[in-house]
Amino acid sequence: IQLTQSPSSLSASVGDRVTITCRASQGISSYLAWYQQKPGKAPKLLIYAASTLQSGVPSRFSGSGSGTDFTLTISSLQPEDFGTYYCQQLNSYPALTFGGGTKVEIK
Amino acid sequence: EVQLVQSGAEVKKPGESLKIACKGSGYSFTSYWIAWVRQMPGKGLEWMGIIYPGDSDTRYSPSFQGQVTISADKSISTAYLQWSSLKASDTAMYYCARQPGIAVPLRYFDYWGQGTLVTVSS
Repeated sequence: IQLTQSPSSLSASVGDRVTITCRASQGISSYLAWYQQKPGKAPKLLIYAASTLQSGVPSRFSGSGSGTDFTLTISSLQPEDFGTYYCQQLNSYPALTFGGGTKVEIK
Repeated sequence: EVQLVQSGAEVKKPGESLKIACKGSGYSFTSYWIAWVRQMPGKGLEWMGIIYPGDSDTRYSPSFQGQVTISADKSISTAYLQWSSLKASDTAMYYCARQPGIAVPLRYFDYWGQGTLVTVSS
């Protein structure tokens, strides 16, 4: 299963609403996770099951979608939200593929 | 507190062997899967394979099958990723990560190690 993220990068201002999309090459129900990775750090789980917020993750992050089309939304971008965001499909072994990433920069 | 602590950076020559480690603490090591993820310089994340330390059940991505070996020693709560003959193209950051279960809804990675940088150069 291939995952295509868009855009590949974006620049937005503090307070902006930011949306990242992830499209799967075939249906994966709601079996999708989102991660945030900051430079030089390990990825961090934000959302699983397409829309379930991981414990401790700020509520400005939300996920939606099912089937082939998914979105990650940051309702009000904060300075600490810079980094690269990855989606991951959980449906199809033997390789739980990741999307190519979306780099978020703060204007 | 759940922690995955990985072994330190390695510099190796092509053809050499290597085994890197990931030690879990703060949870029941034998009740969760441990995955390995590769990140080549400036690139994205690649799922390599996974092991269940409870019974050493192991699955590999087709891209990595035969290229690496994943193992675990549950007596010391440690998972391993090893190569028998490194190539320059193995230069990357390698992360271990905890997966809550094998059922589809649980196949996300909720905790990650800090990463081990492997550099292969002549």
